[in-house]
Amino acid sequence: DTAVSQTPKYLVTQMGNDKSIKCEQNLGHDTMYWYKQDSKKFLKIMFSYNNKELIINETVPNRFSPKSPDKAHLNLHINSLELGDSAVYFCASNLWTENSPLHFGNGTRLTVT
Amino acid sequence: AQSVTQPDIHITVSEGASLELRCNYSYGATPYLFWYVQSPGQGLQLLLKYFSGDTLVQGIKGFEAEFKRSQSSFNLRKPSVHWSDAAEYFCAVGLNQAGTALIFGKGTTLSVSS
Repeated sequence: DTAVSQTPKYLVTQMGNDKSIKCEQNLGHDTMYWYKQDSKKFLKIMFSYNNKELIINETVPNRFSPKSPDKAHLNLHINSLELGDSAVYFCASNLWTENSPLHFGNGTRLTVT
Repeated sequence: AQSVTQPDIHITVSEGASLELRCNYSYGATPYLFWYVQSPGQGLQLLLKYFSGDTLVQGIKGFEAEFKRSQSSFNLRKPSVHWSDAAEYFCAVGLNQAGTALIFGKGTTLSVSS
């Protein structure tokens, strides 16, 4: 009954490959996010979708493409992986209304070799 | 633009001692402020939040935070730290008007010594 679930938990791949990370929430939330946490634990917002519509798109290389097939899912596809993409990627969700805290998944640790 | 500064990268506190983690924000209007905790290998858990009203807010696990507009601060406190409080602590400010998309500070690592 995990609220926000991400798969896979660990992902090790080589430079140049294309990979996807999946996220699903069963909280009935209408907004989902991707955050990147670097090796210094700095959390930076990447994308946000509200009702399947992209509403936040921070300065992220266009090799990163989010896809939201429905309100409960937000996947992250990364093309041509680079060493600098190694990080922990967190999915989160909430309601796009006041007083709605973010609920985070447990993260996906991506290692690019 | 909104920003959050956590001046202390790493703090060590003795078990049973009091704790204060500092957070300063930059925001043009009334901010929505949050503290999250991250245990090793885990996602983030909300400790408490401030939207309006009473400037002293209570959270889970015995934490509280005080909003001080004059100092642009939202410091996190706990009167008596337990070993299980060792974790990474993040202060965040709401990016949108509803305060629901967040930008985070760089975090403070709390170590607890016995």
